[in-house]
Amino acid sequence: DQQVKQNSPSLSVQEGRISILNCDYTNSMFDYFLWYKKYPAEGPTFLISISSIKDKNEDGRFTVFLNKSAKHLSLHIVPSQPGDSAVYFCAASESGGSNYKLTFGKGTLLTVNP
Amino acid sequence: ETGVTQSPTHLIKTRGQQVTLRCSSQSGHNTVSWYQQALGQGPQFIFQYYREEENGRGNFPPRFSGLQFPNYSSELNVNALELDDSALYLCASSLTYGSWAYNEQFFGPGTRLTVL
Repeated sequence: DQQVKQNSPSLSVQEGRISILNCDYTNSMFDYFLWYKKYPAEGPTFLISISSIKDKNEDGRFTVFLNKSAKHLSLHIVPSQPGDSAVYFCAASESGGSNYKLTFGKGTLLTVNP
Repeated sequence: ETGVTQSPTHLIKTRGQQVTLRCSSQSGHNTVSWYQQALGQGPQFIFQYYREEENGRGNFPPRFSGLQFPNYSSELNVNALELDDSALYLCASSLTYGSWAYNEQFFGPGTRLTVL
């Protein structure tokens, strides 16, 4: 049973436009959400996170939006750059759990075309 | 600041053999988590170590075991390798203060294990 779902395996956008990556979750105990970017042959790189007490967090070109009632979050990249081309993983955790494991989605491959 | 390092980069083993993967955590971090990433999937949590003890385990059999050392580095051991164990193994480090922990985990480059 997948608790974190990224339903779009891939997304292609033009350089300079907005990229929107979506993520849904089913476990209502999740209260912290993270986005990671992964290039081939490298480990995932932490991008941005959001606590469930917020509905938006912004860091430069990256903004994450959280809709708790819909159990949905999205990552917006504006403007998109060719160097943003990578696989993006959504992850979730339960802060009050006995450990702080991350539960990941399957990822979305973002391609930014020049 | 030193990031998370893992060794070896690649490894080829045959079914039934045993393997040990190593990880050095990011400087200042005291918690290590291990994940398995199969092709086309997201990373799956194996277990986490804090204060040299296992601090939670995912849905993996006992032949997956680990250690954490006083310098916070860690090992992942897999016995009786199976073909399905072929995957990228990722180590992540983070910081824990007693019963409170940062959620952000920082990953190493991974070890690509191939079981023939």
